[in-house]
Amino acid sequence: KNQVEQSPQSLIILEGKNCTLQCNYTVSPFSNLRWYKQDTGRGPVSLTIMTFSENTKSNGRYTATLDADTKQSSLHITASQLSDSASYICVVTSFSGGYNKLIFGAGTRLAVHP
Amino acid sequence: DAGVIQSPRHEVTEMGQEVTLRCKPISGHNSLFWYRQTMMRGLELLIYFNNNVPIDDSGMPEDRFSAKMPNASFSTLKIQPSEPRDSAVYFCASRGQGDIYGYTFGSGTRLTVV
Repeated sequence: KNQVEQSPQSLIILEGKNCTLQCNYTVSPFSNLRWYKQDTGRGPVSLTIMTFSENTKSNGRYTATLDADTKQSSLHITASQLSDSASYICVVTSFSGGYNKLIFGAGTRLAVHP
Repeated sequence: DAGVIQSPRHEVTEMGQEVTLRCKPISGHNSLFWYRQTMMRGLELLIYFNNNVPIDDSGMPEDRFSAKMPNASFSTLKIQPSEPRDSAVYFCASRGQGDIYGYTFGSGTRLTVV
């Protein structure tokens, strides 16, 4: 069964600190992996997208890594800001049934405190 | 571009009533998706349209749910009759042709059925 599991479920850090969120997946066939940020009351917004051949992708203070062999990804946030408080969702795309399907993780809820 | 526009933002209705959620995709995007998000189940695909044609509706919970896309700039998701367990946030997302990366989500409709 195609699954995307994220850890931790929730995380609290102090402003300015770094943190790393984890994503493990069992999805086949694999097309790409995305990290989304979802602010409270808003829709998910794409942070990074990585294909099978990409190991790392950065977007400002966000850096995602992908290990396709172990089927693991991480999202590292550097020098956190209060505005980073949100849910971070790992999404794996699988080409199935003639089109690309998004398989969502449950998300990690991050709270950045001053 | 105003992005994907959903209405209403919030809807509170009594059990048994009909509910209609609306979505305007990004101009030029030819794929449209309806998702439901709950705390228990996260984001789930309900239905996927390509060029206004429903391609995959296997995620539609039951016959009480129906979706239409009469033209490229408008889609509706209807629940009739509504039940308390339908309470969730419903997201619409769109994607351009050939752009397997560019999913854009709307801000969602928070539905509460009492």
